[in-house]
Amino acid sequence: AQSVSQHNHHVILSEAASLELGCNYSYGGTVNLFWYVQYPGQHLQLLLKYFSGDPLVKGIKGFEAEFIKSKFSFNLRKPSVQWSDTAEYFCAPRGTNTDKLIFGTGTRLQVFP
Amino acid sequence: DAGVIQSPRHEVTEMGQEVTLRCKPISGHNSLFWYRQTMMRGLELLIYFNNNVPIDDSGMPEDRFSAKMPNASFSTLKIQPSEPRDSAVYFCASTLNESPLHFGNGTRLTVT
Repeated sequence: AQSVSQHNHHVILSEAASLELGCNYSYGGTVNLFWYVQYPGQHLQLLLKYFSGDPLVKGIKGFEAEFIKSKFSFNLRKPSVQWSDTAEYFCAPRGTNTDKLIFGTGTRLQVFP
Repeated sequence: DAGVIQSPRHEVTEMGQEVTLRCKPISGHNSLFWYRQTMMRGLELLIYFNNNVPIDDSGMPEDRFSAKMPNASFSTLKIQPSEPRDSAVYFCASTLNESPLHFGNGTRLTVT
């Protein structure tokens, strides 16, 4: 069975601070990995994805994530956050032989100017 | 492309009433998902379909919940009878094969 754990439930940062959100997953096979973002009052949108190849994946708005297979991790990073990054962030693994996408509990990010 | 379309955007109903949520996936997508989002439980996968066939409904909380996908362009999620604890935002999402999910804007359900 697949599962995902996001360690940070609520993160508060000032603008220009660096961000790292943790994500660990459990799955007995090859996975694709996703980060989604949900801005206040909106639906989820894809931030970035990892399918194969370079484990360092770059997404929209300056976000990146690194897949570390040995640690079953896919942490999200951004070197300098902006107020507009205030949102909830969800990590989601998916086995390559299934469509089923399970989301983590989410991390709420608040960025203050 | 209009994206995933859900209706209604908001639904307020009294306990015991039947509620039907609707979803139109992106044309050409072959998988459709229903999720429920609450503060307490986060995003829960309720059920998903592939080529109109239910594949995994293990997340459907009770027999009061049912979902159908009569064709490739339409799905419903029905709650009968509704209860206050069903209050949540219900999202529909669709995808084609291994592509990322595309989400609708959700239906905010309030059961009083």
